[in-house]
Amino acid sequence: QQQVKQSPQSLIVQKGGISIINCAYENTAFDYFPWYQQFPGKGPALLIAIRPDVSEKKEGRFTISFNKSAKQFSLHIMDSQPGDSATYFCAASMHTDKLIFGTGTRLQVFP
Amino acid sequence: DSGVTQTPKHLITATGQRVTLRCSPRSGDLSVYWYQQSLDQGLQFLIQYYNGEERAKGNILERFSAQQFPDLHSELNLSSLELGDSALYFCASSVEPGGNTGELFFGEGSRLTVL
Repeated sequence: QQQVKQSPQSLIVQKGGISIINCAYENTAFDYFPWYQQFPGKGPALLIAIRPDVSEKKEGRFTISFNKSAKQFSLHIMDSQPGDSATYFCAASMHTDKLIFGTGTRLQVFP
Repeated sequence: DSGVTQTPKHLITATGQRVTLRCSPRSGDLSVYWYQQSLDQGLQFLIQYYNGEERAKGNILERFSAQQFPDLHSELNLSSLELGDSALYFCASSVEPGGNTGELFFGEGSRLTVL
């Protein structure tokens, strides 16, 4: 029940395309859902986050869509660029508990 | 640069040995988290400290231990090492005690190779 399931494991997108990464959770007590971006040789860094009181949050080309009833949330990267090539992790936490991360999606954007 | 410093960056050792990984959090951050990253497991939460006290424990093996010192730096001790302990170990810090109250800042990790 503490798990966050992430898919796909890897994703190849052409430049200018839309990248979509999905996550699902079981624990309805989760109340914070961030996405982290990790470049090779670096630690993960916060990209965007959402709380369950909204269904969508957009920051530039990055959008989180949140479906509370389905217990799913997804990251959409519009107009994907080669510089977006990285590993993306979804995560969830409840109250002041630790972050539980998904298994990661390796995104490759080809020019 | 996240402001979180981890040493060493790379470490190669043999099975059965003991190693210590060190983490200096961002200035002002009271919480320190340790995560293990392996290829097929993603980021696994190991343990969290807040202002010197253990706050949460995850899938941390009994052979592993950690502590946070009065100056807020933290050390992760890994003993009786096995081949399967080879992984990237990340430290993260935050101001708040919980994972949902703000951003976690990650260091660049310590890559441990057990031969």
